[in-house]
Amino acid sequence: GAGVSQTPSNKVTEKGKYVELRCDPISGHTALYWYRQSLGQGPEFLIYFQGTGAADDSGLPNDRFFAVRPEGSVSTLKIQRTERGDSAVYLCASSLTGQDHLSGANVLTFGAGSRLTVL
Amino acid sequence: AQSVAQPEDQVNVAEGNPLTVKCTYSVSGNPYLFWYVQYPNRGLQFLLKYITGDNLVKGSYGFEAEFNKSQTSFHLKKPSALVSDSALYFCAVRALQNTGGFKTIFGAGTRLFVKA
Repeated sequence: GAGVSQTPSNKVTEKGKYVELRCDPISGHTALYWYRQSLGQGPEFLIYFQGTGAADDSGLPNDRFFAVRPEGSVSTLKIQRTERGDSAVYLCASSLTGQDHLSGANVLTFGAGSRLTVL
Repeated sequence: AQSVAQPEDQVNVAEGNPLTVKCTYSVSGNPYLFWYVQYPNRGLQFLLKYITGDNLVKGSYGFEAEFNKSQTSFHLKKPSALVSDSALYFCAVRALQNTGGFKTIFGAGTRLFVKA
């Protein structure tokens, strides 16, 4: 597609439930990123994929969070046993080259985000 | 620690006046610096970047930013503000990690309010 698409745009769930958030990056972009944005804060890095593999998952807060990108395109962020503190907007971004690329030209194109509310 | 700071939560300016949104950074090595803008219910949009070369970089919508190495700053500027510039602005830097890889980290954001 023309841009980064994220679904659902809004998700309300109950504490303890499992949720999946989907990201469809720009076609041809090899790098994909997940960020989390809490109210009044800047985007916080979660995980970065280069192709199918997670090149850097150091931002995932704990083992309840997991992300996959099995075919190097669409990615799914999975959150198990959700907690109220997980409530945030989850942003996905893609770039033509990865952030380790020496050109540094990895401008990120963001989706509109998935707003997760855990009651 | 590598970080980006935006010291102002909000900047208020009258339409037609110049605007400045401040950003300072702390990273190892040469910084790659970015500005993004976020309009309500929209994703972050890239405005401009500094990689190397001329310290004054020009970007979208008439915005520009000046890289100042000695002050470790990358302030966003525009000569004449428009009401439509009202949005949330994020400064970002590509930072070298202990692992040898890089990560793009963002400041907390500054809300720009342009009054007609």
